[in-house]
Amino acid sequence: NAGVMQNPRHLVRRRGQEARLRCSPMKGHSHVYWYRQLPEEGLKFMVYLQKENIIDESGMPKERFSAEFPKEGPSILRIQQVVRGDSAAYFCASSPNADVYEQYFGPGTRLTVT
Amino acid sequence: AQSVTQLDSQVPVFEEAPVELRCNYSSSVSVYLFWYVQYPNQGLQLLLKYLSGSTLVKGINGFEAEFNKSQTSFHLRKPSVHISDTAEYFCAVTPNAGNMLTFGGGTRLMVKP
Repeated sequence: NAGVMQNPRHLVRRRGQEARLRCSPMKGHSHVYWYRQLPEEGLKFMVYLQKENIIDESGMPKERFSAEFPKEGPSILRIQQVVRGDSAAYFCASSPNADVYEQYFGPGTRLTVT
Repeated sequence: AQSVTQLDSQVPVFEEAPVELRCNYSSSVSVYLFWYVQYPNQGLQLLLKYLSGSTLVKGINGFEAEFNKSQTSFHLRKPSVHISDTAEYFCAVTPNAGNMLTFGGGTRLMVKP
């Protein structure tokens, strides 16, 4: 049973470009969480999604960031017009239900904005 | 809202010595508590979790943690560390009815030969 998969593992973007980060949850998991880890800091919650629904986006920056989890396919975290401050590791976690204590993390996508 | 404080950003220790990584939390409601380990350039792996019951929780790789409600602490311990335990360790909490984890800033454990 494959774990949570994220791609790409490393992404380099110039300022002003768009970044698309993908997360494929574990098989049978319909709940996805995105976290951001800034350099030398812990992980910060961004958004919680179920299939086709955003449940909690209280940690998402108000502008340029969006997330989706369509009926088919991976969850996508999109960052428009990236800035240097967006450079971070972005982690996805999935769970089979709404029990937060069953979250399984992916390897992360490391975004570098030049 | 919850918050988590990991008092030590780095903990150097010699191989086979005991180690304790400290974690304190703040919350106005009951919480679940977790410790995760992150090896270089990898994702987070769950070490152990406290949901209810016995306050002493045993996890993988010989780690254990004790929940102390009065001191709002959840310190992680291992009686004898190995070089392979070198990693970043994160303490996290969530309210019982919550849907997100709140993480501490992390403690880098550096095991020296």
